[in-house]
Amino acid sequence: DAGVIQSPRHEVTEMGQEVTLRCKPISGHNSLFWYRQTMMRGLELLIYFNNNVPIDDSGMPEDRFSAKMPNASFSTLKIQPSEPRDSAVYFCASSLGRGVSSYNEQFFGPGTRLTVL
Amino acid sequence: GIQVEQSPPDLILQEGANSTLRCNFSDSVNNLQWFHQNPWGQLINLFYIPSGTKQNGRLSATTVATERYSLLYISSSQTTDSGVYFCAVKRTYKYIFGTGTRLKVLA
Repeated sequence: DAGVIQSPRHEVTEMGQEVTLRCKPISGHNSLFWYRQTMMRGLELLIYFNNNVPIDDSGMPEDRFSAKMPNASFSTLKIQPSEPRDSAVYFCASSLGRGVSSYNEQFFGPGTRLTVL
Repeated sequence: GIQVEQSPPDLILQEGANSTLRCNFSDSVNNLQWFHQNPWGQLINLFYIPSGTKQNGRLSATTVATERYSLLYISSSQTTDSGVYFCAVKRTYKYIFGTGTRLKVLA
């Protein structure tokens, strides 16, 4: 059974460019999370979807960041325009939740390492 | 919000040694997970352990939810155990991660 799939695995771009990160959650999971990991701030939750609906986007750093989940098997995180301080590893995770409060185990994708020059 | 503290922050072991990693949290939680982030950056699930004790090979974990802590035991450590170990606790839907314990196992 495939785990959480993320693409690309590495992305190098120049400041001001648009960046789109992609995630395919584990089949059957209905909760999806985007995280960002940096040395300074550790692992931070950016946004949480349940049944394709954004429930909590309070962790999204600013309007340059947006996320969508058009269907149960696909989500995107977009940064436009990108800045050097956005350089980080971005993880997608999914879990099988029942309602808004998910009691079940969370599984992470391999991450996308983003470098903005 | 909930505070999650892990100790020690750094640990260096000789291969074959045993170790105990600790996770303290400041409030009641629904769930707790332990992860290993390997040197390639992958986050690997170790235990899903809201309470009680679980064992998986050389690793075991114990969570005492009423006292707000969890312990991860690594026995007979191997160089492949190197990496960062994270504890993550959950209230409602949101997991809060600790800052991790960085483990280096020397051959």
